[in-house]
Amino acid sequence: EAQVTQNPRYLITVTGKKLTVTCSQNMNHEYMSWYRQDPGLGLRQIYYSMNVEVTDKGDVPEGYKVSRKEKRNFPLILESPSPNQTSLYFCASRSTGSYGYTFGSGTRLTVV
Amino acid sequence: DAKTTQPNSMESNEEEPVHLPCNHSTISGTDYIHWYRQLPSQGPEYVIHGLTSNVNNRMASLAIAEDRKSSTLILHRATLRDAAVYYCILSSRGGTASKLTFGTGTRLQVTL
Repeated sequence: EAQVTQNPRYLITVTGKKLTVTCSQNMNHEYMSWYRQDPGLGLRQIYYSMNVEVTDKGDVPEGYKVSRKEKRNFPLILESPSPNQTSLYFCASRSTGSYGYTFGSGTRLTVV
Repeated sequence: DAKTTQPNSMESNEEEPVHLPCNHSTISGTDYIHWYRQLPSQGPEYVIHGLTSNVNNRMASLAIAEDRKSSTLILHRATLRDAAVYYCILSSRGGTASKLTFGTGTRLQVTL
């Protein structure tokens, strides 16, 4: 089944403890992206990648890192998480020339 | 990106058609109109997109005003599974832009 898989689905962590949220797609898509969703603010883009080793900042990149070493994977790294990064995170992908993104099921992160 | 305006919420009876409006008076000539929906506890899901002409697919129809300042997503027969938040999004760069700018969408309630 074509899908975007995020892990973990739920995560509670403490301030300052580095964490990685993984994202993997099995559709050979070139574009991948990370969004965060907060009440009243909608979904906002954190980072995106147009292909392997090509990444760029979205609207809210502060406090996040990404890497794209393989086409299928696009992990989101929080080096020193803070409570304001408590949010619902979504990974998305699409192929070049396609108009529709496929989203993962989300990762709910709580930083205490 | 140009802005869209949608009602906060709408209600529909099951098995009846639903017309979800979207205003985008500042749309530019190359902006595509995309619709996504987000079911409870899931990531956004692509529904349909268009540029100037009306579009149909298995999920819905998209009616675009002649001046392109507004559009309407049409669900021909709403079911309980269509209860979701529906987002109308404008995408620049020919519709394959690297970012989707989500607003707060329309929450559709479907009742028996």
